[in-house]
Amino acid sequence: NAGVTQTPKFQVLKTGQSMTLQCAQDMNHNSMYWYRQDPGMGLRLIYYSASEGTTDKGEVPNGYNVSRLNKREFSLRLESAAPSQTSVYFCASSPPGQYGYTFGSGTRLTVV
Amino acid sequence: GENVEQHPSTLSVQEGDSAVIKCTYSDSASNYFPWYKQELGKRPQLIIDIRSNVGEKKDQRIAVTLNKTAKHFSLHITETQPEDSAVYFCAESNDYKLSFGAGTTVTVRA
Repeated sequence: NAGVTQTPKFQVLKTGQSMTLQCAQDMNHNSMYWYRQDPGMGLRLIYYSASEGTTDKGEVPNGYNVSRLNKREFSLRLESAAPSQTSVYFCASSPPGQYGYTFGSGTRLTVV
Repeated sequence: GENVEQHPSTLSVQEGDSAVIKCTYSDSASNYFPWYKQELGKRPQLIIDIRSNVGEKKDQRIAVTLNKTAKHFSLHITETQPEDSAVYFCAESNDYKLSFGAGTTVTVRA
């Protein structure tokens, strides 16, 4: 039982490049979330998926897209990376009808 | 997050003393208030939470209090130890999506 697994752990991109951050959970959770963490700003919600087949924007969705591939997997895509997207990205999941989040270990992304 | 203000941003305490972090929120419909601890380079982990129908909850050296009228909640850590040094985040929700405060960096001095 791995919990929430994120890949990659580290990534450096050039401005304008694209990439996909992967997230998978093996706890049969319905809801999945993508947050970014920046110094002094806490964790801000980018996108979330309340259940398989649905996705919704969070607080800071601009520049990102998501795909809920199946119940286990929720990916975050940067189509054209910008330096402002340099951040630590966390994926999380929660069981149906409950608030408790389980976080992945994070992806540290640097855009140069 | 835009819904939660957290203070102070940094807190330094002597080992054995108490630490208190306070958060205020704006949405009167909020009904769930968790606290997360994040050690350097690690993921956030839930340490305690409280629901809106409860005023106080305690778990060993940590406690959370909630004042719904004033829309604020606080984390209390007693008898602080070096391993309590970390960043602490409050959060709130009324629909399973969490909005987080900006975080408090707690340093426990030996």
